[in-house]
Parts: sequence; C-alpha cells; structure tokens
Amino acid sequence: GAGVSQSPSNKVTEKGKDVELRCDPISGHTALYWYRQSLGQGLEFLIYFQGNSAPDKSGLPSDRFSAERTGGSVSTLTIQRTQQEDSAVYLCASSSIVPGAQHFGDGTRLSIL
Amino acid sequence: GQQLNQSPQSMFIQEGEDVSMNCTSSSIFNTWLWYKQDPGEGPVLLIALYKAGELTSNGRLTAQFGITRKDSFLNISASIPSDVGIYFCAGQLVAGNNRKLIWGLGTSLAVNP
Repeated sequence: GAGVSQSPSNKVTEKGKDVELRCDPISGHTALYWYRQSLGQGLEFLIYFQGNSAPDKSGLPSDRFSAERTGGSVSTLTIQRTQQEDSAVYLCASSSIVPGAQHFGDGTRLSIL
Repeated sequence: GQQLNQSPQSMFIQEGEDVSMNCTSSSIFNTWLWYKQDPGEGPVLLIALYKAGELTSNGRLTAQFGITRKDSFLNISASIPSDVGIYFCAGQLVAGNNRKLIWGLGTSLAVNP
C-alpha cells in the first residue's frame, strides 16, 4: 500500500499474556521507528531500525519489550508478560534515507485487562 | 529523556482567528518538523524545515526554523473547524546513523465555529 500499515488496529488481552504488534512500512523506506502514546500524551520513542539493525533501543521500557525487523521491511514489536501500564497506542513510522519526514501508521490500540 | 518545550499546551479560539505555537530546545537541531494528529489516527506531517532561518508555507500554515537552531514556530492563519487536533513539533539532529526525533508534548487546538 501507499502508507504505513499497522496490525491489529485494536488488541485487548489479559494481563500476563504476550502480544505481537506488526508494522509494514512504506516500500523503500530504510528507517523504521516504534513509539508509544498514552491517552492525551505526546510520543514516547521506543526503538529505531536502520535496515534490519537497531542502532537505538534506548526507549524500550523494560526487557519485556523487544522488536525485530526482517528483510529490511516488516517489523514486529513484542511485549511479553503484559502489564496494565502497557496499555497505550503503539505507533510505527518509517522514513527514507532523507533525514526527517517520518510517516506514521494509525497505530495499534492495546488494552490490558 | 530529552524533550522539547512546546507551548501553549492548549488553545481555544474562534473560527477565523490566527494561531501561533512554538517549540524551544536546549539542544540545536538540523531538522524541525511539525505534525498534526487527529483522534484515532497517527500524526501527519505538515511542514519540514531543514535550514536555520528557513520560512516555509503550506497553504494557511507557515513555519520557521529559528536562526539559533534551538526553536521553531508554527502559525495557522484564518483558522477553520477542521484545524482542530493536536499539533506536535519534533526536532532531529542527524549524527551518523542516529535519526531519532525529539518530540514536544503537543498543542491541543479547539476551534469554535
């Protein structure tokens, strides 16, 4: 497609379960970013990929969070043993080699019961 | 983590009025970006600025990259109801492979028709 695609759009799960969130970036974009946004808040940086490698993982809040990217395209953010404080919207963005201009998907709204 | 100071936090204006919001940083950037986010959607890029002193327009929107490289403003002229949303500034200092954006906390704009 033309834009960044994220799935699922909504996810409700029980505390303690693992979840996987998927991001399909714009074709040809080499950089991919994951953010978290709590209700009414700004964007919290989680991790950045350049190709398949992650030069900056500084935003991952705990070792329960991990992400991978394969083939320089699709990325998966995994949250293990989910906690209620993980509830938020998880946004993915991609950019081309030109600096700046990140293009966002519509996010996955994660609710932990 | 590092954060931009974005103000005002919220604005409530009458349709037809002009709007101004700004972001400041203690660090210098070589890219400033302005985004708008509507409810349930990801942020959408409005204007990208790549050079200190640059003044760029996009329809009724005008943004400037401060000469000190530590600030930027966004103006909206003759506001209309569809301008409602949250506006975010973001700054980027590209260093090697690091393309991480630093985000403001947003300005929430409400327009009274």
